[in-house]
Amino acid sequence: GDSVTQMEGPVTLSEEAFLTINCTYTATGYPSLFWYVQYPGEGLQLLLKATKADDKGSNKGFEATYRKETTSFHLEKGSVQVSDSAVYFCALGGSNAGKSTFGDGTTLTVKP
Amino acid sequence: DTAVSQTPKYLVTQMGNDKSIKCEQNLGHDTMYWYKQDSKKFLKIMFSYNNKELIINETVPNRFSPKSPDKAHLNLHINSLELGDSAVYFCASSPSEGNEKLFFGSGTQLSVL
Repeated sequence: GDSVTQMEGPVTLSEEAFLTINCTYTATGYPSLFWYVQYPGEGLQLLLKATKADDKGSNKGFEATYRKETTSFHLEKGSVQVSDSAVYFCALGGSNAGKSTFGDGTTLTVKP
Repeated sequence: DTAVSQTPKYLVTQMGNDKSIKCEQNLGHDTMYWYKQDSKKFLKIMFSYNNKELIINETVPNRFSPKSPDKAHLNLHINSLELGDSAVYFCASSPSEGNEKLFFGSGTQLSVL
């Protein structure tokens, strides 16, 4: 079945550092790929998405490229801020009866 | 206007009690979900409804019973609460069942004492 493997956390960075959170997947078919972010005490919200191979999703300085050859969708940001501290989830779209598949989440803490 | 709203935000109760969590979405979506998030932040789908019909029912104890009176509402009733039910429960919706992004509510933190 479909699965998502995400880089284990927690990740702690200093402000303005470069961020990479790795995400690889196995899937049947051609799912859309998503990154969701969960700020403390809140629900998940979509950060960015890509719907087909070689698409790049971007939002708020975050980027991720849908790499079919390496089955990856790594999240990157060039310069993180304290306000980026959150839990990040990589996910496959629910091509099978709407059942999205989520990674285990990566907790990011950015220190000033 | 909150797109996906769930109530209550916090629920503290004793073992053995019965409780309900309500969810409403005003996005006109056809599909709604319940997810459970444990203390390690792992997210697990419990149920999914499309247009009031159950389409996903993961391995969840039958003490958990979802009800969808219309496509804008999906409630979760839990009987005979146990300590292990303590978690954050998220309602979500999407335009249809398929390859689309999910819109999440802000969660209900359930604590069973």
